[in-house]
Amino acid sequence: NAGVMQNPRHLVRRRGQEARLRCSPMKGHSHVYWYRQLPEEGLKFMVYLQKENIIDESGMPKERFSAEFPKEGPSILRIQQVVRGDSAAYFCASSPPGHHEQYFGPGTRLTVT
Amino acid sequence: AQRVTQPEKLLSVFKGAPVELKCNYSYSGSPELFWYVQYSRQRLQLLLRHISRESIKGFTADLNKGETSFHLKKPFAQEEDSAMYYCALASGGSYIPTFGRGTSLIVHP
Repeated sequence: NAGVMQNPRHLVRRRGQEARLRCSPMKGHSHVYWYRQLPEEGLKFMVYLQKENIIDESGMPKERFSAEFPKEGPSILRIQQVVRGDSAAYFCASSPPGHHEQYFGPGTRLTVT
Repeated sequence: AQRVTQPEKLLSVFKGAPVELKCNYSYSGSPELFWYVQYSRQRLQLLLRHISRESIKGFTADLNKGETSFHLKKPFAQEEDSAMYYCALASGGSYIPTFGRGTSLIVHP
């Protein structure tokens, strides 16, 4: 059972471009979570999704950020018109139904130049 | 509202010394508590959970409901324990865990 996969591992974007981050959960996991980690700071929850549903997006900025978890394919975190402040490591985690422990991906390190 | 507090941003010890990473929580119900570890440039991974009452890599953590704490302990720190440690709380009603801000443990040779 492969672990949580994220790609790309590193992403460089210029200000104003779009960033798309992908996350494939572990097999059998239907819950996906996205977190942002800034230097010298901890993990900040962004959004929690199940297949085709956004369950909680209370941690996501209202503008420019969106997330989806389609019936087929990976979960996508999309950042439009990126700014320098979006530079961070973005982690995805998944969990099986009925369980609270989370399994993390290796993260995508986004750098906005 | 549930909250997790890790009061120490950085903890620095020498190899062989005991280590205790503090975690306090606030939650009115019965929480489920976890410790996650993140080694340099690696993904977070689950270290241990209170319901398992297990010892992983020499670390233990006991849930103290009276003090609302879940401190992580190891009697003799090793250099390879240097990492970022996160305490997390999950409650039955929500699948969104609350993470503490993390404690960076540095073990000096």
